[in-house]
Amino acid sequence: DVVMTQTPPSLSVAIGQSVSISCKSSQSLVASDKNTYLNWLLQSPGRSPKRLIYQVSKLDSGVPDRFSGSGSEKDFTLKISRVEAEDLGVYYCLQGTHLPWTFGGGTKLELK
Amino acid sequence: QVQLKESGPGLVQPSQTLSLTCTVSGFSLTSYNVHWVRQPPGKGLEWMGRMRYNGDTSYNSALKSRLSISRDTSKNQVFLKMNSLQTDDTGTYYCTRLGARDYWGQGVMVTVSS
Repeated sequence: DVVMTQTPPSLSVAIGQSVSISCKSSQSLVASDKNTYLNWLLQSPGRSPKRLIYQVSKLDSGVPDRFSGSGSEKDFTLKISRVEAEDLGVYYCLQGTHLPWTFGGGTKLELK
Repeated sequence: QVQLKESGPGLVQPSQTLSLTCTVSGFSLTSYNVHWVRQPPGKGLEWMGRMRYNGDTSYNSALKSRLSISRDTSKNQVFLKMNSLQTDDTGTYYCTRLGARDYWGQGVMVTVSS
Protein backbone atom coordinates (compact mmCIF):
# COMPACT_ATOMS: atom_id res chain seq x y z
CA ASP A 1 0.00 0.00 0.00
CA VAL A 2 1.09 3.58 -0.62
CA VAL A 3 2.21 5.30 2.56
CA MET A 4 1.44 9.02 2.76
CA THR A 5 3.71 10.93 5.14
CA GLN A 6 2.48 14.37 6.15
CA THR A 7 4.56 16.98 7.94
CA PRO A 8 4.43 18.73 10.25
CA PRO A 9 1.85 16.99 12.45
CA SER A 10 0.84 20.37 13.84
CA LEU A 11 1.28 24.04 13.06
CA SER A 12 0.67 27.06 15.23
CA VAL A 13 -0.04 30.17 13.17
CA ALA A 14 -1.15 33.74 13.51
CA ILE A 15 -4.01 35.07 11.44
CA GLY A 16 -2.61 36.52 8.24
CA GLN A 17 0.45 34.29 8.26
CA SER A 18 1.22 31.91 5.37
CA VAL A 19 1.90 28.21 5.95
CA SER A 20 2.87 25.13 3.99
CA ILE A 21 2.10 21.48 4.62
CA SER A 22 4.09 18.67 3.02
CA CYS A 23 2.85 15.29 1.89
CA LYS A 24 5.22 12.65 0.56
CA SER A 25 4.15 9.34 -0.93
CA SER A 26 6.06 6.08 -0.90
CA GLN A 27 5.36 5.62 -4.63
CA SER A 28 4.83 7.92 -7.58
CA LEU A 29 1.22 9.07 -7.76
CA VAL A 30 1.25 9.50 -11.53
CA ALA A 31 -1.52 7.25 -12.85
CA SER A 32 -1.57 5.31 -16.11
CA ASP A 33 -3.77 8.07 -17.58
CA LYS A 34 -0.97 10.58 -16.72
CA ASN A 35 -3.11 12.30 -14.09
CA THR A 36 -1.95 12.56 -10.48
CA TYR A 37 -4.72 11.84 -8.01
CA LEU A 38 -3.56 13.71 -4.95
CA ASN A 39 -6.21 15.45 -2.88
CA TRP A 40 -6.13 17.82 0.08
CA LEU A 41 -8.98 17.87 2.60
CA LEU A 42 -9.79 19.98 5.63
CA GLN A 43 -11.69 18.74 8.63
CA SER A 44 -12.90 21.66 10.72
CA PRO A 45 -13.67 20.90 14.38
CA GLY A 46 -16.82 18.78 14.75
CA ARG A 47 -17.41 18.66 11.00
CA SER A 48 -17.19 16.13 8.21
CA PRO A 49 -14.08 16.46 6.04
CA LYS A 50 -14.26 18.64 2.97
CA ARG A 51 -12.02 18.43 -0.07
CA LEU A 52 -10.17 21.59 -0.99
CA ILE A 53 -7.93 20.49 -3.82
CA TYR A 54 -7.92 17.57 -6.25
CA GLN A 55 -5.38 16.39 -8.81
CA VAL A 56 -2.57 18.20 -6.99
CA SER A 57 -3.55 21.77 -7.75
CA LYS A 58 -7.20 22.08 -8.85
CA LEU A 59 -9.33 24.02 -6.38
CA ASP A 60 -12.75 22.70 -5.53
CA SER A 61 -15.66 25.03 -6.17
CA GLY A 62 -15.96 27.73 -3.53
CA VAL A 63 -12.46 27.23 -2.11
CA PRO A 64 -10.65 30.57 -1.69
CA ASP A 65 -7.62 31.13 -3.87
CA ARG A 66 -5.57 31.59 -0.69
CA PHE A 67 -5.22 27.82 -0.97
CA SER A 68 -2.86 26.35 -3.52
CA GLY A 69 -1.47 22.92 -4.20
CA SER A 70 1.71 21.96 -5.96
CA GLY A 71 4.06 19.06 -6.48
CA SER A 72 4.60 16.02 -8.60
CA GLU A 73 5.46 12.34 -8.48
CA LYS A 74 5.98 11.71 -4.76
CA ASP A 75 6.30 15.17 -3.23
CA PHE A 76 3.37 17.53 -2.69
CA THR A 77 2.67 20.76 -0.85
CA LEU A 78 -0.42 22.61 0.31
CA LYS A 79 0.10 26.31 0.85
CA ILE A 80 -2.27 28.62 2.63
CA SER A 81 -1.59 32.29 2.12
CA ARG A 82 -2.92 34.73 4.72
CA VAL A 83 -4.49 32.21 7.11
CA GLU A 84 -7.97 33.10 8.33
CA ALA A 85 -9.77 31.81 11.41
CA GLU A 86 -12.03 29.59 9.28
CA ASP A 87 -8.94 27.72 8.02
CA LEU A 88 -8.25 26.14 11.41
CA GLY A 89 -8.66 22.39 11.68
CA VAL A 90 -6.88 19.27 10.48
CA TYR A 91 -5.60 18.95 6.93
CA TYR A 92 -5.20 15.58 5.23
CA CYS A 93 -3.69 14.50 1.97
CA LEU A 94 -5.36 11.56 0.23
CA GLN A 95 -4.02 9.62 -2.72
CA GLY A 96 -6.45 8.06 -5.16
CA THR A 97 -4.01 6.81 -7.78
CA HIS A 98 -3.32 3.40 -6.30
CA LEU A 99 -5.69 0.99 -4.60
CA PRO A 100 -6.23 0.99 -1.74
CA TRP A 101 -6.56 4.74 -1.38
CA THR A 102 -4.62 6.09 1.60
CA PHE A 103 -4.66 9.20 3.77
CA GLY A 104 -1.77 11.06 5.29
CA GLY A 105 -1.70 11.27 9.06
CA GLY A 106 -3.01 14.82 9.18
CA THR A 107 -1.69 18.26 10.10
CA LYS A 108 -3.46 20.21 12.80
CA LEU A 109 -3.53 23.93 12.15
CA GLU A 110 -4.02 25.93 15.34
CA LEU A 111 -4.01 29.56 16.31
CA LYS A 112 -0.86 30.94 17.89
CA GLN B 1 -29.48 18.21 -4.26
CA VAL B 2 -26.85 15.58 -3.50
CA GLN B 3 -27.01 14.10 -0.02
CA LEU B 4 -25.55 11.10 1.75
CA LYS B 5 -26.68 9.88 5.14
CA GLU B 6 -25.21 7.12 7.26
CA SER B 7 -27.32 5.05 9.60
CA GLY B 8 -26.72 2.13 11.90
CA PRO B 9 -26.41 1.05 15.53
CA GLY B 10 -24.49 3.31 17.84
CA LEU B 11 -23.31 0.42 19.99
CA VAL B 12 -21.92 -2.93 18.93
CA GLN B 13 -20.57 -5.66 21.17
CA PRO B 14 -17.03 -6.94 20.69
CA SER B 15 -16.75 -9.84 18.22
CA GLN B 16 -20.09 -8.89 16.66
CA THR B 17 -20.80 -7.58 13.16
CA LEU B 18 -21.29 -3.92 12.27
CA SER B 19 -23.90 -3.11 9.65
CA LEU B 20 -24.15 0.43 8.31
CA THR B 21 -26.26 1.91 5.55
CA CYS B 22 -25.47 4.94 3.42
CA THR B 23 -28.63 6.31 1.84
CA VAL B 24 -27.98 8.68 -1.03
CA SER B 25 -30.16 11.13 -2.91
CA GLY B 26 -29.69 13.48 -5.82
CA PHE B 27 -27.58 11.07 -7.85
CA SER B 28 -27.53 7.51 -9.09
CA LEU B 29 -25.27 4.83 -7.64
CA THR B 30 -24.83 3.53 -11.19
CA SER B 31 -23.13 6.79 -12.15
CA TYR B 32 -20.91 7.60 -9.15
CA ASN B 33 -18.56 5.84 -6.75
CA VAL B 34 -19.23 5.87 -3.01
CA HIS B 35 -16.48 5.46 -0.43
CA TRP B 36 -16.48 4.60 3.26
CA VAL B 37 -14.06 6.45 5.55
CA ARG B 38 -13.74 6.09 9.31
CA GLN B 39 -12.12 8.04 12.11
CA PRO B 40 -11.30 6.78 15.61
CA PRO B 41 -11.92 9.38 18.33
CA GLY B 42 -9.21 12.03 18.24
CA LYS B 43 -7.35 10.31 15.41
CA GLY B 44 -6.96 10.60 11.67
CA LEU B 45 -9.03 9.48 8.70
CA GLU B 46 -8.85 5.95 7.34
CA TRP B 47 -10.09 4.93 3.89
CA MET B 48 -12.07 1.72 4.28
CA GLY B 49 -13.29 0.89 0.81
CA ARG B 50 -15.23 1.84 -2.26
CA MET B 51 -18.30 0.80 -4.24
CA ARG B 52 -17.77 1.76 -7.85
CA TYR B 53 -20.60 2.88 -10.16
CA ASN B 54 -20.36 -0.47 -11.96
CA GLY B 55 -20.66 -2.54 -8.80
CA ASP B 56 -16.97 -3.31 -8.34
CA THR B 57 -15.56 -3.02 -4.83
CA SER B 58 -12.12 -2.27 -3.37
CA TYR B 59 -11.01 -2.53 0.23
CA ASN B 60 -8.41 -1.33 2.71
CA SER B 61 -5.79 -4.07 2.92
CA ALA B 62 -5.89 -4.24 6.71
CA LEU B 63 -9.68 -4.60 6.80
CA LYS B 64 -10.20 -6.72 3.71
CA SER B 65 -10.66 -10.02 5.53
CA ARG B 66 -13.60 -8.77 7.60
CA LEU B 67 -15.14 -6.01 5.48
CA SER B 68 -17.84 -6.18 2.82
CA ILE B 69 -19.43 -3.35 0.85
CA SER B 70 -22.55 -3.90 -1.20
CA ARG B 71 -25.45 -1.88 -2.59
CA ASP B 72 -29.09 -1.83 -3.56
CA THR B 73 -29.41 0.57 -6.47
CA SER B 74 -33.22 0.45 -6.38
CA LYS B 75 -33.14 1.82 -2.83
CA ASN B 76 -30.17 4.17 -3.42
CA GLN B 77 -28.29 2.52 -0.59
CA VAL B 78 -24.73 1.35 -0.03
CA PHE B 79 -24.04 -1.08 2.80
CA LEU B 80 -21.00 -1.69 4.94
CA LYS B 81 -20.62 -4.87 6.93
CA MET B 82 -17.60 -5.58 9.08
CA ASN B 83 -17.28 -8.59 11.33
CA SER B 84 -15.21 -9.48 14.39
CA LEU B 85 -15.40 -5.96 15.77
CA GLN B 86 -12.94 -4.89 18.44
CA THR B 87 -12.71 -1.80 20.62
CA ASP B 88 -10.32 -0.11 18.19
CA ASP B 89 -13.10 -0.16 15.58
CA THR B 90 -14.83 2.50 17.65
CA GLY B 91 -15.15 5.74 15.74
CA THR B 92 -17.14 7.84 13.32
CA TYR B 93 -17.97 6.22 10.00
CA TYR B 94 -18.58 8.37 6.93
CA CYS B 95 -19.81 7.65 3.44
CA THR B 96 -18.68 10.06 0.77
CA ARG B 97 -18.88 10.73 -2.94
CA LEU B 98 -15.47 11.94 -4.08
CA GLY B 99 -16.16 12.88 -7.67
CA ALA B 100 -15.89 16.12 -9.59
CA ARG B 101 -17.25 17.63 -6.41
CA ASP B 102 -17.12 15.94 -3.01
CA TYR B 103 -20.11 15.23 -0.81
CA TRP B 104 -19.96 13.72 2.67
CA GLY B 105 -22.48 12.36 5.08
CA GLN B 106 -22.63 13.71 8.60
CA GLY B 107 -21.07 10.51 9.90
CA VAL B 108 -22.35 7.95 12.37
CA MET B 109 -20.62 7.26 15.66
CA VAL B 110 -20.09 3.59 16.44
CA THR B 111 -18.93 2.41 19.85
CA VAL B 112 -17.65 -1.12 20.29
CA SER B 113 -18.18 -2.08 23.90
CA SER B 114 -19.72 -4.76 26.03
